[in-house]
Amino acid sequence: SQTIHQWPATLVQPVGSPLSLECTVEGTSNPNLYWYRQAAGRGLQLLFYSVGIGQISSEVPQNLSASRPQDRQFILSSKKLLLSDSGFYLCAWSSGTGTQPQHFGDGTRLSIL
Amino acid sequence: AQSVAQPEDQVNVAEGNPLTVKCTYSVSGNPYLFWYVQYPNRGLQFLLKYITGDNLVKGSYGFEAEFNKSQTSFHLKKPSALVSDSALYFCAVRDMTGAGNMLTFGGGTRLMVKP
Repeated sequence: SQTIHQWPATLVQPVGSPLSLECTVEGTSNPNLYWYRQAAGRGLQLLFYSVGIGQISSEVPQNLSASRPQDRQFILSSKKLLLSDSGFYLCAWSSGTGTQPQHFGDGTRLSIL
Repeated sequence: AQSVAQPEDQVNVAEGNPLTVKCTYSVSGNPYLFWYVQYPNRGLQFLLKYITGDNLVKGSYGFEAEFNKSQTSFHLKKPSALVSDSALYFCAVRDMTGAGNMLTFGGGTRLMVKP
């Protein structure tokens, strides 16, 4: 069966520091991958998605970036964090067919001090 | 562009009573619809989906949803609520306009089940 892992679960970072969040998927190949941010336990904001290695689409301009160095690895990065980057970051994957749901990891709670 | 509305920020029900969490959608063409549940500090868990066929869809944990094309609704239901059903619920519709199997999510509805 397929599984998705995100780490770390929680992270406290100072303003201006770099960021790297990692997400990996097991048990499937060539998944679509997604990064979301959820503020205040409410709606989801799609940040990036990827349909293949090295293919990244950005939905919202910001100081974050994403990379997909391997088929089942998706990384969210920042060179300099802002206070507004605080939130709950969720990674998800789906198969290529439109009838299948997205499956989510357990998220990273990021606090910026 | 497609959109999803969850008109209630919060729904309160007593344990043992039936529950309904409302969702309406707007898409061009046939909709692919999904419901998710989120517990505190966890990711979203897939509950059920409607793609085609029977308008009543059954999913995990005793939940079901009724697709109504004329009312463009996809309400989530459960005959008898449990305290453990208390969580945040999201409705979503498949974005048919681009690649990547993306979803458009509603704003979420908090379900509170009281003993």
